[in-house]
Amino acid sequence: GAGVSQSPRYKVAKRGQDVALRCDPISGHVSLFWYQQALGQGPEFLTYFQNEAQLDKSGLPSDRFFAERPEGSVSTLKIQRTQQEDSAVYLCASSLGGPRLDEQFFGPGTRLTVL
Amino acid sequence: TQLLEQSPQFLSIQEGENLTVYCNSSSVFSSLQWYRQEPGEGPVLLVTVVTGGEVKKLKRLTFQFGDARKDSSLHITAAQPGDTGLYLCAGAGGSNYKLTFGKGTLLTVNP
Repeated sequence: GAGVSQSPRYKVAKRGQDVALRCDPISGHVSLFWYQQALGQGPEFLTYFQNEAQLDKSGLPSDRFFAERPEGSVSTLKIQRTQQEDSAVYLCASSLGGPRLDEQFFGPGTRLTVL
Repeated sequence: TQLLEQSPQFLSIQEGENLTVYCNSSSVFSSLQWYRQEPGEGPVLLVTVVTGGEVKKLKRLTFQFGDARKDSSLHITAAQPGDTGLYLCAGAGGSNYKLTFGKGTLLTVNP
C-alpha cells in the first residue's frame, strides 16, 4: 500500500494481558515514530527509530512498554500486563529522512481498550 | 517540558463563516506544524512554519507563526463542511524530530 498501515485497527484486552501492535511504514522511510493519543487529547510521543536503531524511547510511560524494529521496516509496540490507563489510540508515523523535521505520515492507529 | 495550548477547544460554526484557532506556548519552537485529523484516521500535515513572523496560505487557510516563535494561528475563510475535523498544532524543539502536540481544536462546520 501507499500509506502507513497498522494492525489490528481495534484491540480489546483484559487487564493484565499482553498486546502487540504492528506498524508497516511507507517503504523506504528511514524514521518511524510511535505516539499515544488518549481520548480528547493530542498525540504524545512514545519512541523514535532511525532504521533499526531505537534512538529515543523517552516517552514510553513505563517498562511495560517495549518497541522494536528489528529489520528497519516493520515495527511492533508491545504492552505487557495491560492496565486500564493504557486505553488509547496508538499511532505510528514514518518519515523519509533522518533526525530532522520531515513530514511525518501517520497510520490510522490502533484503538486499544483495556477492560 | 514544552506545552502547547490550543483554543478554543471546540468550535461549531455555519458554512461560510470565518474562524481563527490559536496555539500558544511559553516555550520557543524551532518550527511548528499544523495537522488535521478526521475520526478513525491519523493526523495529516497541513503546513510547517519555520521563521518567526512567517505567514503561509493554503487556499482558504492562512497560517501564521509568531515573531517570537512561541505561538501560531490558523485562520479559515468561508468555512465549508469538508473543513470539519480536529486541528492540531505541533511544535518541534531542539531535537527537531520530536513533536509536542496541543490537545487540538475540534471544528464542526454545519451546512
